[in-house]
Amino acid sequence: AQTVTQSQPEMSVQEAETVTLSCTYDTSESDYYLFWYKQPPSRQMILVIRQEAYKQQNATENRFSVNFQKAAKSFSLKISDSQLGDAAMYFCAYRWPNTGNQFYFGTGTSLTVIP
Amino acid sequence: KAGVTQTPRYLIKTRGQQVTLSCSPISGHRSVSWYQQTPGQGLQFLFEYFSETQRNKGNFPGRFSGRQFSNSRSEMNVSTLELGDSALYLCASSLALRGRGGTDTQYFGPGTRLTVL
Repeated sequence: AQTVTQSQPEMSVQEAETVTLSCTYDTSESDYYLFWYKQPPSRQMILVIRQEAYKQQNATENRFSVNFQKAAKSFSLKISDSQLGDAAMYFCAYRWPNTGNQFYFGTGTSLTVIP
Repeated sequence: KAGVTQTPRYLIKTRGQQVTLSCSPISGHRSVSWYQQTPGQGLQFLFEYFSETQRNKGNFPGRFSGRQFSNSRSEMNVSTLELGDSALYLCASSLALRGRGGTDTQYFGPGTRLTVL
């Protein structure tokens, strides 16, 4: 079974600094997709970034970027120039196409941004 | 384009009752997935519907069921409610077209907070 592990239950970062959230996953598949979602206090899940496993290039979205290490099954999220609005719970998610659109989520990392 | 909507947003029920939650996906999206979120278990997949057919099912008892209508709107039903069913129920929709291109990205609704007393 696919499992996703986020080993940092809580993280904090100073405003304008950079923080990296860790995620590892377990799979025997070679073609899959990885996601980072953000859940602010409003509880609305918001897509942050998406990575396709067959692409070696790391995905980036403005201040958000990932470090995808396929062999190590690692998918970390880097947030640069952290802003107060980045404070939220961050979830790493895995999807294997052969299971339709079923996502496997990690347990989340709560990010606090210190002014 | 309007986002995913879920109704009701909050619900209080008592043990033994049944409940129906509704989800309207983003226009054009054919896949609707349901997740249960609790502090103890995190986000767990319930089921996915695609073109009115259940395509995938998580490890939940038969008390949890769902369906999808021809307009892609979906409902989730929980019968004989238990205290442990108290949770935030999230619905997510995606285009789910064949091939690559990011159409598998799930867009979530605001959730329905169910409290079972």
